[in-house]
Amino acid sequence: EDQVTQSPEALRLQEGESSSLNCSYTVSGLRGLFWYRQDPGKGPEFLFTLYSAGEEKEKERLKATLTKKESFLHITAPKPEDSATYLCAVLAAGGSYIPTFGRGTSLIVHP
Amino acid sequence: DSGVTQTPKHLITATGQRVTLRCSPRSGDLSVYWYQQSLDQGLQFLIQYYNGEERAKGNILERFSAQQFPDLHSELNLSSLELGDSALYFCASSPRDRGAQETQYFGPGTRLLVL
Repeated sequence: EDQVTQSPEALRLQEGESSSLNCSYTVSGLRGLFWYRQDPGKGPEFLFTLYSAGEEKEKERLKATLTKKESFLHITAPKPEDSATYLCAVLAAGGSYIPTFGRGTSLIVHP
Repeated sequence: DSGVTQTPKHLITATGQRVTLRCSPRSGDLSVYWYQQSLDQGLQFLIQYYNGEERAKGNILERFSAQQFPDLHSELNLSSLELGDSALYFCASSPRDRGAQETQYFGPGTRLLVL
């Protein structure tokens, strides 16, 4: 069974304090790993798709990296507007092609 | 704005009632997915349609059903509603159900409250 574990569950940072969110996964074969940002009461907003170990993608203060067992979402010099829940999802090769979502990391950035 | 639209934004109803949630996918996307999100369960996959046909089922209750119409919009029907059905319901779309473009784009959601 595919599993996705995100840590920490919650993270509080001061503005400008860089940190990383972790997404550990267990799948029979990885087809893709997705990061989403979700604001309270709103739909998940797509951030990145990573396909193979060693791949990295960046967007503003966010950088996502991928290894064979986990992905990190690095947040550099975060701002209060980066406060949100960050969701990770994995798509396994074969099967139904339905992604398995983690429970998310709730990030709060204090000014 | 993801390009996926959902109506209504909010829905308040009573136990035992039936409601219909509507979703229009991004232009050109053939796959539609429905998810339920509650505080204690996270994002749970319900069902997928691809070009009008059901492709995958998740933890969808028998009281729930969905369909995708020729114009590719989809409806999720929830019947015999219970208090525990109160949640956010999201629709997502992707270009295809298999292949390189599997990234799902989510709509703004419908918040359902069953009283």
